[in-house]
Amino acid sequence: KQEVTQIPAALSVPEGENLVLNCSFTDSAIYNLQWFRQDPGKGLTSLLLIQSSQREQTSGRLNASLDKSSGRSTLYIAASQPGDSATYLCAVVDSWGKLQFGAGTQVVVTP
Amino acid sequence: GAGVSQSPSNKVTEKGKDVELRCDPISGHTALYWYRQSLGQGLEFLIYFQGNSAPDKSGLPSDRFSAERTGGSVSTLTIQRTQQEDSAVYLCASSTGTGTGNQPQHFGDGTRLSIL
Repeated sequence: KQEVTQIPAALSVPEGENLVLNCSFTDSAIYNLQWFRQDPGKGLTSLLLIQSSQREQTSGRLNASLDKSSGRSTLYIAASQPGDSATYLCAVVDSWGKLQFGAGTQVVVTP
Repeated sequence: GAGVSQSPSNKVTEKGKDVELRCDPISGHTALYWYRQSLGQGLEFLIYFQGNSAPDKSGLPSDRFSAERTGGSVSTLTIQRTQQEDSAVYLCASSTGTGTGNQPQHFGDGTRLSIL
């Protein structure tokens, strides 16, 4: 059975520092992996989708890597800003598109 | 822009009542998913619709839960005889995926359901 873990559960950094968020999964037979952010009281905003054949995806200050063999993905956010404060969730995607989520990392970026 | 729309945004009801939650996906998205987010369980998959195919109901927690999708667009999630453990945020997502998981899912803001 697939298990998705995110460490740490919470993270606080000063503005300008780079953020490193970790996601691990137990079954490497994933289809894709998707990173989301969630603001309080809101739904999920898709950040990056990494297909299983890819090693990384980049969008602006965001970069996500995927290592299927070791069951890991890492989301890097460069030069963090207070507006980056949110909960970040990773989800492994099966071949039907169903998502299985980690519990999330709550990020606070202090001015 | 026309994102995924869910209604109501909040619903408070008494234990034992039936509730209906609505999801309007992004126009043209053939795949529609329902998830539940609760404090104890995190985010859980409930049900998946793809075009006119039979839905994947494997995540529904009990037979009190059902969902339909009319005309390949709007979906309604129905919970009968609500229980306090049904209290959660119910999220809907849609994508252009054709069952391959290659397209990102786009989420609505959810319906926060509280059972008294």
